[in-house]
Amino acid sequence: EVQLVESGGGLVQPGGSLRLSCAASGFSFSSYWMSWVRQAPGKGLEWVANIKQDGSEKNYVDSVKGRFTISRDDAKNSVYLQMNSLRVEDTAVYYCGASMDVWGQGTTVTVSS
Amino acid sequence: QSVLTQPPSASGTPGQRVTISCSGSSSNIGSYAVNWYQHLPGTAPKLLIDGQNQRPSGVPDRFSASKSGTSASLAISGLQSEDEADYYCATWDDNLSGWVFGGGTKLTVL
Repeated sequence: EVQLVESGGGLVQPGGSLRLSCAASGFSFSSYWMSWVRQAPGKGLEWVANIKQDGSEKNYVDSVKGRFTISRDDAKNSVYLQMNSLRVEDTAVYYCGASMDVWGQGTTVTVSS
Repeated sequence: QSVLTQPPSASGTPGQRVTISCSGSSSNIGSYAVNWYQHLPGTAPKLLIDGQNQRPSGVPDRFSASKSGTSASLAISGLQSEDEADYYCATWDDNLSGWVFGGGTKLTVL
């Protein structure tokens, strides 16, 4: 069974940092692009970033460029999202996805003073 | 303002057929296949139909999709109460070098 489990969310002050993790199982992790999407309170889904199978290509939505970094560790079947200089508008549930096909249950990030 | 435009709401009675539209441009829908998702906030988004117009295992054939030019649509036939959810279209956008989602359509089963 394909499973994606996100962790690392929490409450952080504006300007702070968080590192989200996503543990994958049940499929050949190294063969897939991996993505993060988010949903802010009362808003729709927003794609945040993705990373190619070998890590050679990474893409980001404009609003997080220069602040967020996506990475992966195929030995641990995991993908990460390092979030720096967090803003109130980054408050959202963050979902990890495999090839935009299968998604985890999400982890909540709250940026507030 | 989403790059892909969906109606904010749709509704139907049990057994009816409803369609949800998704309008884009040449840099996204006009050039790439469209995924459709079903989502209940706080739960994992669920892929209904992928870019090759395939339904993942477990998705009933009541769900179908089509695309023409820079627009796409999702059709749900034989509407059931369990179909009440938010629905999103998504595709790659060349101008933004990233994936884009529609604003989402909240489907109500009356």
